[in-house]
Amino acid sequence: DTAVSQTPKYLVTQMGNDKSIKCEQNLGHDTMYWYKQDSKKFLKIMFSYNNKELIINETVPNRFSPKSPDKAHLNLHINSLELGDSAVYFCASSQEVVDRPHTEAFFGQGTRLTVV
Amino acid sequence: KNEVEQSPQNLTAQEGEFITINCSYSVGISALHWLQQHPGGGIVSLFMLSSGKKKHGRLIATINIQEKHSSLHITASHPRDSAVYICAVRYPGTASKLTFGTGTRLQVTL
Repeated sequence: DTAVSQTPKYLVTQMGNDKSIKCEQNLGHDTMYWYKQDSKKFLKIMFSYNNKELIINETVPNRFSPKSPDKAHLNLHINSLELGDSAVYFCASSQEVVDRPHTEAFFGQGTRLTVV
Repeated sequence: KNEVEQSPQNLTAQEGEFITINCSYSVGISALHWLQQHPGGGIVSLFMLSSGKKKHGRLIATINIQEKHSSLHITASHPRDSAVYICAVRYPGTASKLTFGTGTRLQVTL
């Protein structure tokens, strides 16, 4: 059973298109994230949702819009794709614990987005 | 300068060698994670630490809160350990955000 699953794994699209990446977790976690990994393999957080509410939005262009229909899903929609959006996007989840750090994060397998 | 520094950036070892990867950070944290990213791209969480030491199989992670430093050790290294190892920290009061190091690329040869 895949704990955090993302689709698609690969996405090649033209500049200017709109695309979505889906993410689902079956761990019962209350917090989900989107991370971007650039060409130098550096990971950086984009968004975090807790119980369907946005709690972190890290200076990401507003062409990127996350949507969380329920706490098991966090989808990423990208409008007007640009060449610089090419990267690997990772979804992850973890559980908030009162008065303690979150549990370890579980990552999806990544979506390699190539904009041509 | 990245907030989370890892060293070395690249490491080549022969099978069986003892390996150490270091991570240092500049301000107090609530937790530190060690992650492994395989050549296929998937990321796996190895450890989450807030103090002391943890061991899982041939992997050992330690953290020194006063020195703001953590190490990941691999004993009896094997070619299947070849991967990028990433240190990530959570700062207090930043909800669930992880800040990542730049990663250490490990290649273990026969």
